[in-house]
Amino acid sequence: EVLLVESGGGLVQPGGSLRLSCAASGFSFSNSGLNWVRQAPGKGLEWVSFTSASGASIYYADSVKGRFTISRDMSKNTLFLQMNSLRAEDTAIYYCVKHFQWGYFDFWGQGTLVTVSS
Amino acid sequence: IVLTQSPATLSLSPGERATLSCRASQSVSSYLAWYQQKPGQAPRLLIYEVSNRATGIPARFSGSGSGTDFTLTISSLEPEDFAVYYCQQCSNWPRTFGPGTKVDIK
Repeated sequence: EVLLVESGGGLVQPGGSLRLSCAASGFSFSNSGLNWVRQAPGKGLEWVSFTSASGASIYYADSVKGRFTISRDMSKNTLFLQMNSLRAEDTAIYYCVKHFQWGYFDFWGQGTLVTVSS
Repeated sequence: IVLTQSPATLSLSPGERATLSCRASQSVSSYLAWYQQKPGQAPRLLIYEVSNRATGIPARFSGSGSGTDFTLTISSLEPEDFAVYYCQQCSNWPRTFGPGTKVDIK
């Protein structure tokens, strides 16, 4: 069974930093691309970032480029999202999502809530 | 690529047919998916590459279209189908989603 378990969310002040983690199991982590997708409260879905299986290809949404960094630890089957210079508009549930075929999202974690507020 | 979905809300009764539309600002070829999201849950992949059902998705869900115009059809609504549906393209970076169509009970 594919499992993606996010952690690390919480309340942070504007300008602050947070590091999200996603523990993965039930599939070949080293052969799978992974994404972060977020959803602001009561709003739609926004893709945030992607890393290929090897980490050689990485993409970011313009809204987070230069502030967020995606990475992965192959030894721990864990995906990370380092979030710096956080803004109120970054407030959202952040989902860890497995990449499928060309660029679909076939398995989702339960999400972790990030709240940016003073 | 901007995706627009219509209608924003669709009010139907169980057993009725639902037709949801997704339009892209430029061609996405066949790189389009549909997701279902229920309150308090993560989205679930329903359809990928326009018309391929994901694992475990019932046959009452079907997708069609190409280029810029796509449709998700639910042939006969079951009580568990009342939810929000999003389309998503993976033709270009950044990956984008439509704003969603809420299917609620009439």
